[in-house]
Amino acid sequence: DIQMTQSPSTLSASVGDRVTITCRASQSISSWLAWYQQKPGKAPKVLIYKASILESGVPSRFSGSGSGTEFTLTISSLQPDDFAIYYCQQYTSYSLTFGGGTKVEIK
Amino acid sequence: EVHLVESGGGLVQPGGSLRLSCAASGFTLSDHYMDWVRQAPGKGLEWVGRTRDKAHSYTTEYGASVKGRFTISRDDSANSMYLQMNDLKTDDTAVYYCGRLPRATADSGGGYWGQGTLVTVSS
Repeated sequence: DIQMTQSPSTLSASVGDRVTITCRASQSISSWLAWYQQKPGKAPKVLIYKASILESGVPSRFSGSGSGTEFTLTISSLQPDDFAIYYCQQYTSYSLTFGGGTKVEIK
Repeated sequence: EVHLVESGGGLVQPGGSLRLSCAASGFTLSDHYMDWVRQAPGKGLEWVGRTRDKAHSYTTEYGASVKGRFTISRDDSANSMYLQMNDLKTDDTAVYYCGRLPRATADSGGGYWGQGTLVTVSS
């Protein structure tokens, strides 16, 4: 199986900060990567797919980049609604895998 | 508008069985790959399994932790998908989500998720 490693596992930031989360794949996944946001008691919400395509309705302060084995999710100016857990997920292989998650908390 | 609604969760004893349902609306189920994903309390997301679309003969794939115990099926006439869970273990306790996750094709979007249903395996 392809392993997905996210860093950091926890990130403390303030409103207005620029935030970057990294996701590394154990082998090349081309651009077949999605990013999700999850809030307590809710289903994950897709933010970005195919590494850099913003899902309809998602604010433009979210962006994704990367290909191959290294990917980033950037929030250009953190808003109060953005404090949540973020997951990456690869979908290139028969067996889908998620990263371990990054909790973005208030500093 | 696409909607996915899971049902069938509840409390079951270790070694028991349970069948979850996922009712789809807003699209034709037979045209799409569909997945089950679970999340144990306080833990991350774990992919459970996938059923491919009609064009790919509805073939299935499963994660290592559930292979041989869980089975995914469909009823296209009801636009529904199912997850039959047998020989349940306490580690299977989780919220189970059905989803139409992204695919590695040029025309795939970001996908859709249901709201989840809680399965608790305990004596």
